[in-house]
Amino acid sequence: DGGITQSPKYLFRKEGQNVTLSCEQNLNHDAMYWYRQDPGQGLRLIYYSQIVNDFQKGDIAEGYSVSREKKESFPLTVTSAQKNPTAFYLCASSRGGVLETQYFGPGTRLLVL
Amino acid sequence: DAKTTQPTSMDCAEGRAANLPCNHSTISGNEYVYWYRQIHSQGPQYIIHGLKNNETNEMASLIITEDRKSSTLILPHATLRDTAVYYCIARIYNQGGKLIFGQGTELSVKP
Repeated sequence: DGGITQSPKYLFRKEGQNVTLSCEQNLNHDAMYWYRQDPGQGLRLIYYSQIVNDFQKGDIAEGYSVSREKKESFPLTVTSAQKNPTAFYLCASSRGGVLETQYFGPGTRLLVL
Repeated sequence: DAKTTQPTSMDCAEGRAANLPCNHSTISGNEYVYWYRQIHSQGPQYIIHGLKNNETNEMASLIITEDRKSSTLILPHATLRDTAVYYCIARIYNQGGKLIFGQGTELSVKP
């Protein structure tokens, strides 16, 4: 069953703690993306990667870090430098090429304790 | 980035066609129109996209005006499961072809 998986579904972060959100895809897609969604808002791009071992900052990269060591995986770390991390985080992937259709995972909701 | 404008909310009777409008008067010639929908607390679902010509797939039809300043997404026979927020996006080339989601239209399909 092909698709994009994100885990966990809910994640709680304590003040000053780094947390890592997982995103895995078995679609053989080259490109992967991380977006953030705040309540009642649209999505904003955090980071994207068009090929393994390469990634670029999006519009709101401050306080986040990523890695792309494997084609199927694109984990996102929310660092303590991100002062307002509470949001719904969405991972997407596409076949590569800037206008290929992006397909989304189910999302991870991050809450700060 | 071309801005899209959509009505905040719409209602549709179950079994009827749902016609969701979108204005994109500043769209440039190489920007595609994409539609996604998002059911509460789930990831967005791709519906359809187009450049100039009308498009149809198993989910919906997309009608783009000749001047490309507006488009309409048509769900031919809306069901209760089509209740969602629908986003119209003018897709750009930069930043890996990022998707810029606006406020969208909240479609409520009623029995």
